Amino acid sequence: GENVEQHPSTLSVQEGDSAVIKCTYSDSASNYFPWYKQELGKGPQLIIDIRSNVGEKKDQRIAVTLNKTAKHFSLHITETQPEDSAVYFCAAVPINRDDKIIFGKGTRLHILP
Amino acid sequence: DAGVTQSPTHLIKTRGQQVTLRCSPISGHKSVSWYQQVLGQGPQFIFQYYEKEERGRGNFPDRFSARQFPNYSSELNVNALLLGDSALYLCASSLQGRGYTFGSGTRLTVV
Repeated sequence: GENVEQHPSTLSVQEGDSAVIKCTYSDSASNYFPWYKQELGKGPQLIIDIRSNVGEKKDQRIAVTLNKTAKHFSLHITETQPEDSAVYFCAAVPINRDDKIIFGKGTRLHILP
Repeated sequence: DAGVTQSPTHLIKTRGQQVTLRCSPISGHKSVSWYQQVLGQGPQFIFQYYEKEERGRGNFPDRFSARQFPNYSSELNVNALLLGDSALYLCASSLQGRGYTFGSGTRLTVV
């Protein structure tokens, strides 16, 4: 069935260093890949997304890459700051099923001072 | 501009009871989806409604039901509550099924 695997489950990086979160998806029909940030007591917030016809997308300190052949996609955060501490979720949306977002299990990112 | 609003924010129910959760989408958004997020996991898709019609349903038992009203607000109803139904229930809205904006959720505890 449809599945999104996310690694690592927990990640600690020194402030100013980079953080990388990796995901794989099983449904080759997926064509939209959003990333969400969830802070304590809040719902997931969309931070960046990428479509299957694009290999890379960048927005300031955040970038996502997509390898359709390998069904891999990754989130890169550079120059990490304390406010980046949160849980991050990758997700995949199957083509023609835009009603259904399939989430990974999340990565808890800790930014160390 | 108000985001997605959900009520109540917290709720405690007893096993076997019924619960109704409410969601108001962003103004102009006609699509509403419901997700269940168990502690330590990613959200799991329950339902999507668009223009008051059910467009998708996840792998949840018939105890879960939902509806969407003419003003595009939505309710999620869960009957015969089980301990395992304890979770954060999230509502999300979008214009046309992409770029969903999530609310802060309703934390349901079943005791």
